[in-house]
Amino acid sequence: DAGVTQSPTHLIKTRGQQVTLRCSPKSGHDTVSWYQQALGQGPQFIFQYYEEEERQRGNFPDRFSGHQFPNYSSELNVNALLLGDSALYLCASSLGLAGAEQFFGPGTRLTVL
Amino acid sequence: KQEVTQIPAALSVPEGENLVLNCSFTDSAIYNLQWFRQDPGKGLTSLLLIQSSQREQTSGRLNASLDKSSGRSTLYIAASQPGDSATYLCAVSLNQAGTALIFGKGTTLSVSS
Repeated sequence: DAGVTQSPTHLIKTRGQQVTLRCSPKSGHDTVSWYQQALGQGPQFIFQYYEEEERQRGNFPDRFSGHQFPNYSSELNVNALLLGDSALYLCASSLGLAGAEQFFGPGTRLTVL
Repeated sequence: KQEVTQIPAALSVPEGENLVLNCSFTDSAIYNLQWFRQDPGKGLTSLLLIQSSQREQTSGRLNASLDKSSGRSTLYIAASQPGDSATYLCAVSLNQAGTALIFGKGTTLSVSS
């Protein structure tokens, strides 16, 4: 049973560039959430996708956008990268919207130079 | 605004000790609480999920309790081992309609042999 997978593992970009991160949920899960984790901090909720729609959004600017595909996989896009966007980006999957247990992927380490 | 606090920020114990990690949250209207483990630079591993109607959950050497009225949860680790060394994160789910998790900053545990 495959768990949550994310790609790429690491990524280095320069300020102003755009980046796309990818996530495949755990088998049987239909909901994907994205989190940003800065060094030494707990993860911060970015947004959540269910039935291909953004259902909840945290306190992140519009530069952060996403998409969910019919197979439940998801992408996180960040435009106009800033140095402060350097972080570990975590994807979590769950079943439905009713506060189900969330399972996390290994993360994508993004470094912005 | 829901805030999650974890005390202590770091803890060092010798192998074999029983220990307690603390988590507190400011708004008692949570749907559930989840404890995670995170190894350096890695994703999160779910340890225990406690629904708001439950008082505790157990898995092996781990026991988590929840007191919603006082806004507190504890994670008890029995007979600690060097392999338990990691950062432990507590997170609350705010409501039934979504699965956004609010995290604490974590407690970094070091178990020496």
